Amino acid sequence: DIQMTQSPSSLSASVGDRVTITCQASQDISNYLNWYQQKPGKAPKLLIYDASNLETGVPSRFSGSGSGTDFTFTISSLQPEDIATYYCQQYDNLPNTFGGGTKVEIK
Amino acid sequence: EVQLVESGGGLVQPGGSLRLSCAASGFTVSSNYMSWVRQAPGKGLEWVSVIYSGGSTYYADSVKGRFTISRHNSKNTLYLQMNSLRAEDTAVYYCARGAYGSGIFQHWGQGTLVTVSS
Repeated sequence: DIQMTQSPSSLSASVGDRVTITCQASQDISNYLNWYQQKPGKAPKLLIYDASNLETGVPSRFSGSGSGTDFTFTISSLQPEDIATYYCQQYDNLPNTFGGGTKVEIK
Repeated sequence: EVQLVESGGGLVQPGGSLRLSCAASGFTVSSNYMSWVRQAPGKGLEWVSVIYSGGSTYYADSVKGRFTISRHNSKNTLYLQMNSLRAEDTAVYYCARGAYGSGIFQHWGQGTLVTVSS
């Protein structure tokens, strides 16, 4: 199975800050990497697919980059409504594995 | 509009069985990549199973031999039959639709809670 290592596991930032989350795959997954946002008590929401493609309707302050084994997710200017846990997920191989999650809080 | 509505969760004793349903609208289940993903209380997301449009099925090692994914075409519904349940199967179970016939989980249900406890 492909292991997805996400860091940090949590972070605290101020409104307007740039926030970066990294995800490392245990083997080359090309660009088969997605990012999800999950708010408490809610289902995950797709934000970025294929490493860098913004899902329709998602604000442009969210972005993703990377390929192979190393990926980055960025919120360019953190907003109060961005408080959530973010997950990366690979779909190059089954089982589709998720990172451990990054909980984002407001400082 | 795409909608997924799960049902069937509840409290079950260890060793028991439960069948989850995921009623879909706005698209055809049998033509899509459909998965179950679960989340134990306070934990991260874990992929459980997939059924491809062609009917092939795959399972996480943790549920292989105990869980069965299936679909009912005329009801446009996805199922997860769960047997020999264990305490570690306690989780919210989500059904999800994969975009472009792949593991890009574009649409999710609201989830249904399964609690395995005596």
